[in-house]
Parts: sequence; C-alpha cells; structure tokens
Amino acid sequence: EVQLVESGGGLVQPGGSLRLSCAASGFTFSSYSMNWVRQAPGKGLEWVSYISSSSSTIYYADSVKGRFTISRDNAKNSLYLQMNSLRDEDTAVYYCALGRVVYYFDYWGQGTLVTVSS
Amino acid sequence: DIQMTQSPSSLSASVGDRVTITCQASQDISNYLNWYQQKPGKAPKLLIYDASNLETGVPSRFSGSGSGTDFTFTISSLQPEDIATYYCQQYDNLPLYTFGQGTKLEIK
Repeated sequence: EVQLVESGGGLVQPGGSLRLSCAASGFTFSSYSMNWVRQAPGKGLEWVSYISSSSSTIYYADSVKGRFTISRDNAKNSLYLQMNSLRDEDTAVYYCALGRVVYYFDYWGQGTLVTVSS
Repeated sequence: DIQMTQSPSSLSASVGDRVTITCQASQDISNYLNWYQQKPGKAPKLLIYDASNLETGVPSRFSGSGSGTDFTFTISSLQPEDIATYYCQQYDNLPLYTFGQGTKLEIK
C-alpha cells in the first residue's frame, strides 16, 4: 500500500525557514518523480515543485522560485522541501504527491500545515 | 502560462441528479486533463485521468469527456457521499501543473 507521510510543518515568523519532509513507502520511491502541492486555508490547490526520480530535473512555481528548494534521498525513501524567506502568503497545507504517470497525481499524503505569522 | 477556467464555483443539487462541471483551458492541452475530489480536511483523490479514464476503484457514476480546450466532468446520479469540492488539473509546460478554481458541490 502506497503511503506518503508529511512532517515538519508549524508556526514560523515571516522571513523564517522551515523544512518539510515526506516519508514514502509501499512503492519503489527511486523510480518516480515527486511533487509538492499546497493549499492555502479555504483556497484551491497550487502546484509548488517537481523533482525527477534521479533529482536531475527540478521545477518550481514562480511564486516560490528562489526561496524554496526541493530535494530527495532515495536511500531513505524521503522527499524534502526547504522553505526560506517565508511570507504570509506561504501559509498553507503542504501535500507531497506521487504521480506514477507524470501527468497527474495518483497518491497524496495527508498534508502538513505551515503557518507564517508574527 | 495556461489558465484553467472551471465552472461553476459552487453547485447545489439533489440526490439522484445529474451533475456537470466544466473546465476550459486557455490553449490546447490535448487530453492532459484530470479531475480530483477533495472532501473537507482530506487530501485530494484522483477520479478521472487523461480526460476520460476512470481511476481504479472509482464508481462508474463519475465520468469525464473532452479534448483540446473544453472538458466536462459528470456525476450521473448524485449520492450523499459525493459532497466535496472538485478540481480539474492540467499538465503542460511550466508551470507543470495548473488546477482549476474548484467547484464546491452541496446537496439541496
């Protein structure tokens, strides 16, 4: 059974940093690209970042480019999102999402809440 | 950037009704259009991929159609457990993935 479990969310002040983790199990993690998708309170879904299976290809949404860094450790079956220079508008539930076919997300974690507030 | 226009933003219908949601892309996306269901406090769930393919385990009352720029998501007979927000999502050039604004479905 595919499982994605996010952790690392919490309350952080504007300008601060946070590192999210996603522990994957139930599939061959090293074979698939992974993504982070976020959802601000009461709002819709926003794709944040993509990383290929070997980490050779990485993409970011314009809203986080230069501030967020996606990475993965295939030996630990883990995905990460380093978030720096956080802003109020980064407040959201962050989901890690697996797309075994790159065009869509067929598995999602339960999400971790990041709150940016002074 | 490709824009996705999803309508309506909210919808109230009765149990047993046929429900239709539309999603329009600002340019041709072939069939790279997917539909998700999100219940309150839960992660989204993939229902339809590649515009018209039903994800394994999803009830057959859900269906999708369309190609190019115009897409439709249909629930043939609304059930109480279908209360949720539904999102379309496209895959293309950067940004890699764009979601529609969502349709909140309520029971009348």
